[in-house]
Amino acid sequence: AQTVTQSQPEMSVQEAETVTLSCTYDTSESDYYLFWYKQPPSRQMILVIRQEAYKQQNATENRFSVNFQKAAKSFSLKISDSQLGDAAMYFCAYRSAQGPLNDMRFGAGTRLTVKP
Amino acid sequence: KAGVTQTPRYLIKTRGQQVTLSCSPISGHRSVSWYQQTPGQGLQFLFEYFSETQRNKGNFPGRFSGRQFSNSRSEMNVSTLELGDSALYLCASSPALSGNEQFFGPGTRLTVL
Repeated sequence: AQTVTQSQPEMSVQEAETVTLSCTYDTSESDYYLFWYKQPPSRQMILVIRQEAYKQQNATENRFSVNFQKAAKSFSLKISDSQLGDAAMYFCAYRSAQGPLNDMRFGAGTRLTVKP
Repeated sequence: KAGVTQTPRYLIKTRGQQVTLSCSPISGHRSVSWYQQTPGQGLQFLFEYFSETQRNKGNFPGRFSGRQFSNSRSEMNVSTLELGDSALYLCASSPALSGNEQFFGPGTRLTVL
């Protein structure tokens, strides 16, 4: 079974600095999708960034980028120029591209604090 | 497009009661998944529905059930509530079964007393 591990329960970053959140996963599949979701306090979970496993190029969305290392099964999220609004729980998620048993698997989450 | 909506947003029940939660997916989305989120267990998958059929089910007891209607709206039901069922229940929709990211609703906060 696929598992997702986020080894950093909490992280802290100074406003305007850069922070990297770690995620590793375990799978025997070759075709899958990886996601980073953000859940602000008492607010809705939103998608930050998505990566298809068959693409070698790392995904980027504005200040958010990933370092996808397929062989190492690692999928870290880098947040550049951190802003106060980035403070949230961040969840790494895995979803198989092969149905039908392809529910999304989430890591335990990393709580990010942004200091002014 | 309107996002995923969930009703009610908050609910307080007592042990032994049953509860029904509702989820309306984004227009055009045919897949609806349900998750239970607790501080101790994190996000755990309950089940996924696509075109009114349950396609996938997580490791939860039979007290947890769901269904999907022809307009893709979904409900989940928990019978004989236990204290441990207190959680945030999240619904997520996506256009198809595989590959696509899921769009989450705000959740229903269930408290069991």
